[in-house]
Amino acid sequence: DGGITQSPKYLFRKEGQNVTLSCEQNLNHDAMYWYRQDPGQGLRLIYYSQIVNDFQKGDIAEGYSVSREKKESFPLTVTSAQKNPTAFYLCASSRRQDYTEAFFGQGTRLTVV
Amino acid sequence: AQTVTQSQPEMSVQEAETVTLSCTYDTSESDYYLFWYKQPPSRQMILVIRQEAYKQQNATENRFSVNFQKAAKSFSLKISDSQLGDAAMYFCAYRIQGAQKLVFGQGTRLTINP
Repeated sequence: DGGITQSPKYLFRKEGQNVTLSCEQNLNHDAMYWYRQDPGQGLRLIYYSQIVNDFQKGDIAEGYSVSREKKESFPLTVTSAQKNPTAFYLCASSRRQDYTEAFFGQGTRLTVV
Repeated sequence: AQTVTQSQPEMSVQEAETVTLSCTYDTSESDYYLFWYKQPPSRQMILVIRQEAYKQQNATENRFSVNFQKAAKSFSLKISDSQLGDAAMYFCAYRIQGAQKLVFGQGTRLTINP
């Protein structure tokens, strides 16, 4: 079945450590996205990528980094520079056509301990 | 900057009744696309309905319909015959033509009372 897989579902990180969240899709989508969701809030865009080897900062990119070496994969690294990383992270992908919707993974809950 | 505003943090409705969720957006673009997504307790985001800005006709998907007012930059979602399974967070989202950036509102938590 086609879809988007995020792993792990739950992740714990010690302060000062970098951690990488995985996002893989087999939908053959060109565009991929990372969003952050805080309790009771909407989705804020961290980074997005329209094609392989290209990505753009979203609204809250500070303290995060991404790579897009393969069409299927768009990992997100939460660095120690991110001051408040505890949140729910959602990965999404879509075809390039504007009218098409984004498909989402099931999310990763990151907690800093 | 493009922004999406959902002014109702929470809404509740009796089962089988109709509810309307509000969404406004701010853009100087003329060609864009609007979406409503549902996020149930499982947190899996699901597309509910979409609307192309160039289309005057309001989109409809079964019990879900929109009231798209382009001049007012308004995109409300109407849910008819509400069901318990409709309980979720609902997010309005916006994408301009030619750009992959998808911007979301803050969400409205919908409760269905049996």
